[in-house]
Parts: sequence; structure tokens; C-alpha cells
Amino acid sequence: ILNVEQSPQSLHVQEGDSTNFTCSFPSSNFYALHWYRWETAKSPEALFVMTLNGDEKKKGRISATLNTKEGYSYLYIKGSQPEDSATYLCAFIQPSNSGYALNFGKGTSLLVTP
Amino acid sequence: NAGVMQNPRHLVRRRGQEARLRCSPMKGHSHVYWYRQLPEEGLKFMVYLQKENIIDESGMPKERFSAEFPKEGPSILRIQQVVRGDSAAYFCASSPGGEKLFFGSGTQLSVL
Repeated sequence: ILNVEQSPQSLHVQEGDSTNFTCSFPSSNFYALHWYRWETAKSPEALFVMTLNGDEKKKGRISATLNTKEGYSYLYIKGSQPEDSATYLCAFIQPSNSGYALNFGKGTSLLVTP
Repeated sequence: NAGVMQNPRHLVRRRGQEARLRCSPMKGHSHVYWYRQLPEEGLKFMVYLQKENIIDESGMPKERFSAEFPKEGPSILRIQQVVRGDSAAYFCASSPGGEKLFFGSGTQLSVL
């Protein structure tokens, strides 16, 4: 099982602040990186699937970048709102003889207060 | 189109009993993943299945745990002779293959 590291572990910002967090993963034999948002009492929901070095994805106020050569991805939230409060998970696929399992980091817990 | 359905939502077992967790993937999805979430931990990969085949079970404990995804019917995660350490939330996710995962609401297993 490969290690996917996310930082910070938790983050508390004020409404309107912009924020970003990091996902680090092994850079060798990269296949894909996923970002998910997990709100309390709900199921994780996919935000982005990224496969190409230099990829940038955007969904409303949330965007993500990918650097496969150095093994990191950033998730950005512009003008945070209270409804953005959730745990943000990244997940990494590195093909192996045993398949294409998707391994998750522990997440960054974001709290946005009015 | 119904989402990923997991049942039961909550399951209580005594030590030594068997636990069977069910997952019906979204319509058209042939790939199923099982994850376990322990308190204060993230989602830990257990097993990845396609119809009738186990593709990757590298996260599955070697003993007492098994999974299947038959041609007809839901995927089943089976835990034999449960112990207190098996208490956790178990999540199932499905995908059409090589794309984002759609998660179920999870089954909370409590072992007394």
C-alpha cells in the first residue's frame, strides 16, 4: 500500500478567505490522482480526476493542479464559504501487478466560519 | 438512477459471529471497491473487484475477511468470527471503470 500524504491535517479559515492544501504521492509510475470532498454525515463525492502532468481542473471556486514529476497536487478554494466545510481527500492510483487500487490520504479537514 | 446502496446501515454483532455487508453498485458500474474507516483514520483500501473477479485484495486481512462480486446480485464483504477491532465504518464505492468513484453511505459495524 502506497503512502499518500496530505497537509495540513486541519484548517480553520474565515468566510471569504482563500485557502489551499497539498497532496503528496510517489512520483514513479503515476497513473491518476483523484480529489474528493467528504461532508459530515454524507458520502465522499468526487471533485476531480487528474491524469496529466501540468493538468489544471476547475469547478466553481475550487481548482486543482497536478505535478507528477515531483509528486504533488494542490487544491485551491477561492473565497471560502461555510458550505465548503468538509474533509478533502486525495487518492492516488499507481498500477502494480495486483491492479489499480485507489489509495486515499487521511484528508484535510476544513472549517470555514462566518 | 439510484446511487450506490449499502445495507445494513448499522450492524451489531457479538464477538465470534459473522458479519455480512452488502453493496449494490450504481447501474452500469462493474467495478466495486471496499474501504474501511477506523476512528481517527482515513479510508483504508481493502479490496477491488470486477464482476466475478477479485482484481486487488492487497488491503484485505489474510484471515477471516473475504469479498465477492457475483455475476448477479450485490457485492458482499464477509467477516467471520468478528473481534472488537473489526468495529469500523465500511464503505463501498463503484465506478464504470478507470474513473471517479461513487460512494455508498457506509455500514457501521459494531462488535460487542
